[in-house]
Amino acid sequence: EPEVTQTPSHQVTQMGQEVILRCVPISNHLYFYWYRQILGQKVEFLVSFYNNEISEKSEIFDDQFSVERPDGSNFTLKIRSTKLEDSAMYFCASSQNRPPSIQYFGAGTRLSVL
Amino acid sequence: KNEVEQSPQNLTAQEGEFITINCSYSVGISALHWLQQHPGGGIVSLFMLSSGKKKHGRLIATINIQEKHSSLHITASHPRDSAVYICAVVSQGGSEKLVFGKGTKLTVNP
Repeated sequence: EPEVTQTPSHQVTQMGQEVILRCVPISNHLYFYWYRQILGQKVEFLVSFYNNEISEKSEIFDDQFSVERPDGSNFTLKIRSTKLEDSAMYFCASSQNRPPSIQYFGAGTRLSVL
Repeated sequence: KNEVEQSPQNLTAQEGEFITINCSYSVGISALHWLQQHPGGGIVSLFMLSSGKKKHGRLIATINIQEKHSSLHITASHPRDSAVYICAVVSQGGSEKLVFGKGTKLTVNP
């Protein structure tokens, strides 16, 4: 069964460093999302992406965040200068159809900022 | 303002019991999702509802749009059902983002 894959599963970085979290959505999906979940808290929407541009973003998604679909398969989330409070699990999701529609989630990347 | 409220926060059941998890929301929605988060952290979509009722195996999800309330039922619960169950809504008006509840942690004992 097709699945969303995320790499790495765990990323450790120093405060102030840039990180890139990678996702390979399901191949025929057109809508892509990033979410984060701080330990012990609820999942929060970061950004949605369609047709090579951001279609919606949350207040959390400030200038230190960016997303890109550099080729036909990868979807990346870049955090330019990480802060301690960026430590969280980051989930990528994709859907085939226009929202609202079922979203398929990756297993997540745990980001630890030291 | 917490737009999505779930109850209970924690639920412990014996194998075979009928489980109900509730979700209330405060805004007009275009759809409501039920998701399952495994102990390892992975998230699986169970249902997406905009009206009525859906059934998949031992899982049943219902929604009452007028009352802004949804329930997830598990019949004949099993220890492998142990997980966090999350309700999430998509607001009306063209928004794409999912707004999540805090989740209900279900433990089913053998």
